[in-house]
Amino acid sequence: DIQMTQSPASLSASVGETVTITCGASENIYGALNWYQRKQGKSPQLLIYGATNLADGMSSRFSGSGSGRQYSLKISSLHPDDVATYYCQNVLSTPWTFGGGTKLEIK
Amino acid sequence: EVKLVESGGGLVQPGGSLRLSCATSGFTFTDYYMSWVRQPPGKALEWLGFIRNKANGYTTEYSASVKGRFTISRDNSQSILYLQMNTLRAEDSATYYCARDYGYPWYFDVWGAGTTVTVSS
Repeated sequence: DIQMTQSPASLSASVGETVTITCGASENIYGALNWYQRKQGKSPQLLIYGATNLADGMSSRFSGSGSGRQYSLKISSLHPDDVATYYCQNVLSTPWTFGGGTKLEIK
Repeated sequence: EVKLVESGGGLVQPGGSLRLSCATSGFTFTDYYMSWVRQPPGKALEWLGFIRNKANGYTTEYSASVKGRFTISRDNSQSILYLQMNTLRAEDSATYYCARDYGYPWYFDVWGAGTTVTVSS
């Protein structure tokens, strides 16, 4: 199975700041990487697919990058509404493993 | 509007069984793979498995953690997805979500609200 490792596990930043979350795969996943946003009390929501493609309806302040084994999610100009836990997901091969999550809080 | 609505969660004793349902609407059910994902309290999301679409023969795949204990099935006439869970353990306590697989590229584009399963004596 492909293992997904996210860092940091949690972070706190101020409104207007830019933050980056990283996700490492145990092997090359060739860009088959998704990011989801899960707000408290709600279901996860697709944020980025195919490593770099913004999902419909999601803010352009979110962007994804990476290749091979290393990927990142950047959130620009933080808003209070960005408070959530973010998960990466491998979809190269089953089992479609998720990272451990990154909990984002606003200072 | 595409909707997924899970039901069937509740309290069950260790070793017991439970069947979850996911009622779907707003799309052609047979065209899509459907997955089950769970999240234990305070832990990460875990993909449990999927059932393929009509074009791929409705076959299934599972994660190692549930293979042999859980079974995913679908009633295509009623557009309902099921998760039969047997020999339940305390570590199966979680919120269970059904999710629609978009297809290639693979991602979950629609999620249900989830149903909570608690395994405890």
